[in-house]
Amino acid sequence: QKEVEQNSGPLSVPEGAIASLNCTYSDRGSQSFFWYRQYSGKSPELIMSIYSNGDKEDGRFTAQLNKASQYVSLLIRDSQPSDSATYLCAVNLRKRGSNDYKLSFGAGTTVTVRA
Amino acid sequence: NAGVTQTPKFQVLKTGQSMTLQCAQDMNHNSMYWYRQDPGMGLRLIYYSASEGTTDKGEVPNGYNVSRLNKREFSLRLESAAPSQTSVYFCASRLDRGGNQPQHFGDGTRLSIL
Repeated sequence: QKEVEQNSGPLSVPEGAIASLNCTYSDRGSQSFFWYRQYSGKSPELIMSIYSNGDKEDGRFTAQLNKASQYVSLLIRDSQPSDSATYLCAVNLRKRGSNDYKLSFGAGTTVTVRA
Repeated sequence: NAGVTQTPKFQVLKTGQSMTLQCAQDMNHNSMYWYRQDPGMGLRLIYYSASEGTTDKGEVPNGYNVSRLNKREFSLRLESAAPSQTSVYFCASRLDRGGNQPQHFGDGTRLSIL
């Protein structure tokens, strides 16, 4: 089982619609979760962090976390063409036998917003 | 406000050549990381340095070496480049090794091995 899995894309949504991205993770002890946006040919950019169960809203973005189900999602409301990018889910995993944490990334979901 | 700076941005090598990718951060972060990104495979950790003076292997360390030169700088070396190392390489840093910190990425180095 992969440490972090995202729903396979690509995801195409019309402008103004809601884009829904899903991510599951394998380590029940994970405590912090991140969503990164990556435009084609660019580096990943942090857009959301979430640490507690429930919803966290930041502008048009909402992250949802359910630790019991080991599930984290990202909703993009009122999608715009500028939201067209690959979205990476990242989960902080504690390295066994160590105090070090590593970020494990999903393969990403590519979103295209149609004008 | 540079953040994480990587050099070079692009490089073409021949099989067997060596080179060093440079990374520097100006955010006073303790932990630094090297990833490679290949189509359909996401970001894979090559090596990391949890703090100055320490380095450790990630999930794909073979064929690479690293040096944490000081708190700011973390370099990645390919001793004998192979076509399988053609990839985009990202350096990242975060404040410390703790579990709640996000990582911040450089702009990447696009490396082609012929």
